[in-house]
Amino acid sequence: DAGVTQSPTHLIKTRGQQVTLRCSPISGHKSVSWYQQVLGQGPQFIFQYYEKEERGRGNFPDRFSARQFPNYSSELNVNALLLGDSALYLCASSHLGWGGDEQYFGPGTRLTVT
Amino acid sequence: AQKITQTQPGMFVQEKEAVTLDCTYDTSDPSYGLFWYKQPSSGEMIFLIYQGSYDQQNATEGRYSLNFQKARKSANLVISASQLGDSAMYFCAMRASQGGSEKLVFGKGTKLTVNP
Repeated sequence: DAGVTQSPTHLIKTRGQQVTLRCSPISGHKSVSWYQQVLGQGPQFIFQYYEKEERGRGNFPDRFSARQFPNYSSELNVNALLLGDSALYLCASSHLGWGGDEQYFGPGTRLTVT
Repeated sequence: AQKITQTQPGMFVQEKEAVTLDCTYDTSDPSYGLFWYKQPSSGEMIFLIYQGSYDQQNATEGRYSLNFQKARKSANLVISASQLGDSAMYFCAMRASQGGSEKLVFGKGTKLTVNP
């Protein structure tokens, strides 16, 4: 089975622009989580979605939004980009997203804001 | 709030030797899980090993073992017989529950370099 896939691999945007990142979970997984990893830090939780509903949200501004589609794929949107949004964005999928489910990570999208 | 502390920004080890990467955690939850991930320069987080708070024995997965000391709130990763391919960032993480959702809380990581 294919693992978690993310697109694009790399992205360069200008301050003030908007960006959409995409994630396809492992087949059969219904939960998708998004993490932001800035250089030199560990990943930080942004969102968790399960069955198209937002289940959890980290400490990020409203410029960050996400959604999950009926096929369980997900998009992360970031509006009004700031230089500080430059990071590796990781998507993780799990069966249920609860009860100790293991999270499987994708390769990430490297976003550079200039 | 849950917190993971990794105090070693970088570690060096000779090929074929063992190395221990430190991790301490803080939580008030009686039930929790601890993870170790490897992150090569490509960026993908690779799951290595998991320890549940109620597990009686320390977890082992091949060359990886987790030295779990609950009273000290530590969950150190031991890599035996280091290989050049083990050079990477290593992250300790804790599963944290948050109002019906679960997330992983990560430490800042340790960069491991294996020398030939």
